[in-house]
Amino acid sequence: NAGVTQTPKFRVLKTGQSMTLLCAQDMNHEYMYWYRQDPGMGLRLIHYSVGEGTTAKGEVPDGYNVSRLKKQNFLLGLESAAPSQTSVYFCASSAGETQYFGPGTRLLVL
Amino acid sequence: GESVGLHLPTLSVQEGDNSIINCAYSNSASDYFIWYKQESGKGPQFIIDIRSNMDKRQGQRVTVLLNKTVKHLSLQIAATQPGDSAVYFCAEYRAGNNRKLIWGLGTSLAVNP
Repeated sequence: NAGVTQTPKFRVLKTGQSMTLLCAQDMNHEYMYWYRQDPGMGLRLIHYSVGEGTTAKGEVPDGYNVSRLKKQNFLLGLESAAPSQTSVYFCASSAGETQYFGPGTRLLVL
Repeated sequence: GESVGLHLPTLSVQEGDNSIINCAYSNSASDYFIWYKQESGKGPQFIIDIRSNMDKRQGQRVTVLLNKTVKHLSLQIAATQPGDSAVYFCAEYRAGNNRKLIWGLGTSLAVNP
């Protein structure tokens, strides 16, 4: 099992560009999450999903959109990137309380 | 060595010593707690968990203690090794919260050879 995988690993964007981060899990988990992590800070929840076809806002959802068209995939979209969105993005999935994390995507917005 | 609080302090210990990382949680309704380890450049990795009906749980070289009276959680690492160098996060879970975890800010553990 690969667990949770994320693509790409690293990306540089210019302000105003758009991109989609892909998260995939092979554990048949119902719940999936997108977090961002900034230096010296903990994890902040952007959006999450409690099952295929569902999405919900976390604590910092502005500027992001998500989709969960397939149970195993959770996509995070940035429609118009801003320098404030420079961060490391982590995806996680869970069946119960314990969340399992991907390796992260480093995003730099210039 | 020992650290306190939800800030991101650095705890520095000598290889072979025991480490204690502390965490204060906010809500008495929280009923499940997890410790995660995050190595540089990687995602958080599950270490150990504990439910609110327990006050102690042991794993391999790690022990988690829960004091519900003062809403305090600690992670003890025995015989700390260089591979234990990482940032450690505590997270709390509240039933009915759509399985969302409430995260602490983390403690950075540095192990000196």
